[in-house]
Amino acid sequence: KNEVEQSPQNLTAQEGEFITINCSYSVGISALHWLQQHPGGGIVSLFMLSSGKKKHGRLIATINIQEKHSSLHITASHPRDSAVYICAVKQAISGATNKLIFGTGTLLAVQP
Amino acid sequence: KAGVTQTPRYLIKTRGQQVTLSCSPISGHRSVSWYQQTPGQGLQFLFEYFSETQRNKGNFPGRFSGRQFSNSRSEMNVSTLELGDSALYLCATSNVQQGGEQFFGPGTRLTVL
Repeated sequence: KNEVEQSPQNLTAQEGEFITINCSYSVGISALHWLQQHPGGGIVSLFMLSSGKKKHGRLIATINIQEKHSSLHITASHPRDSAVYICAVKQAISGATNKLIFGTGTLLAVQP
Repeated sequence: KAGVTQTPRYLIKTRGQQVTLSCSPISGHRSVSWYQQTPGQGLQFLFEYFSETQRNKGNFPGRFSGRQFSNSRSEMNVSTLELGDSALYLCATSNVQQGGEQFFGPGTRLTVL
């Protein structure tokens, strides 16, 4: 079983729809990242969370540490939001490290 | 502020050769992590450097190595290339004083023929 699980693996939405991508993890963490990767492109960090909720424009990320679960929401989705969204966790271990463990990603396609 | 840069962006090599990839971090970032991305395995951690010291290493064979210089620039080397080493190699840098968020470079696309 992967330490970081994402759902759904694929998601197709119509422009304007509200989108939710889920991430569950099985290890203790010090932080959780939501990342975006466009086809053939590099990775952009959307959020880094250790508790609560963050909002940036139409994107909202929440985390529940007790339940080991995080969600990424996209409001009023747009075709330019089409990308792979990746959840990654920084494991809480002794000693400093930035090592990330990644989910398999959610491929989002927003149709006009 | 300039972002993370990686060179070269694309590379084609043949089996048995060796390759060196470079990552220049954002100014002030002393931590550099390297990741491999393949369609089959997704994103996997290779190693991490901080202040010229390897701080953590992933589960990759010894053919994969790296180093960090005093200006925080980092290189990774893969010797005796195999077909399975074809991948996108990404580096990410961070500054713990600024919260430790990792910023990714554009990646180096390595193709092994």
